[in-house]
Amino acid sequence: EDKVVQSPLSLVVHEGDTVTLNCSYEVTNFRSLLWYKQEKKAPTFLFMLTSSGIEKKSGRLSSILDKKELFSILNITATQTGDSAIYLCAVDSGGGADGLTFGKGTHLIIQP
Amino acid sequence: NAGVTQTPKFQVLKTGQSMTLQCAQDMNHEYMSWYRQDPGMGLRLIHYSVGAGITDQGEVPNGYNVSRSTTEDFPLRLLSAAPSQTSVYFCASSMGQGYRSPLHFGNGTRLTVT
Repeated sequence: EDKVVQSPLSLVVHEGDTVTLNCSYEVTNFRSLLWYKQEKKAPTFLFMLTSSGIEKKSGRLSSILDKKELFSILNITATQTGDSAIYLCAVDSGGGADGLTFGKGTHLIIQP
Repeated sequence: NAGVTQTPKFQVLKTGQSMTLQCAQDMNHEYMSWYRQDPGMGLRLIHYSVGAGITDQGEVPNGYNVSRSTTEDFPLRLLSAAPSQTSVYFCASSMGQGYRSPLHFGNGTRLTVT
C-alpha cells in the first residue's frame, strides 16, 4: 500500500523564522511529488517535483526531492503570518484512480 | 476564469436524506475527481472521471454516486446521508492524471449530517 508521511503534523513559529517541512513516501511506482498550500478553502498548487536533487523555488518557498532516500522537504524562509496554512504533500504513483496519495498535512502557524 | 466551482458551500442534512453536490469547471479539463477531507485523515479520493461518460471508484466510494455527462460537470450524489459522511468535500480537475498536470481544487462544501 502506498504511503505518504508528513512531519511535523503541526508547527508554531514566529514571524521571520525559517521552517522546514518534511514528506517521506513509500510507493510502488514513483512518478512525481506535489506540494499544496491549504488556507481556509481550496488547496492551491505550489510545486511538482519529478527529478532528484533539482530545487524548485518560488519567492521564499523552495522544495527539493531525494528519490534515493524517498523524501522531499519544503522550506519557507523569512516566514510571514500569511504563510499560516496546512501544507499538503502528495505522491503520484500512477497506480489506479488518479494515482495520488496524500499525506495528512502539516499545520503551520506563524505568530507575529 | 472561474476555475473549479462547487455549490453549495455549506449544507446540513438529516440522516437518510439525499442530496447532490455540484461541481463545474471551465478549463476544459478531462480529469475530474471528488475528495473528502476529515481531521487527521488527509484527502481521500471518493470517485473520479477521466472524461465524459467515464467514471470509476476511488478509495472511499461507498454511499456516493457520480456521473459525467459533460466535460464541465461532475456532480456527487449522496444516496442516503449518514453521520459518517460529515466532512468537507473537494472537487478537483486537471488536464490529465497526476504527473502530467497538477490538480486544481474547488473551494469545498462543508457537509454536516445530523
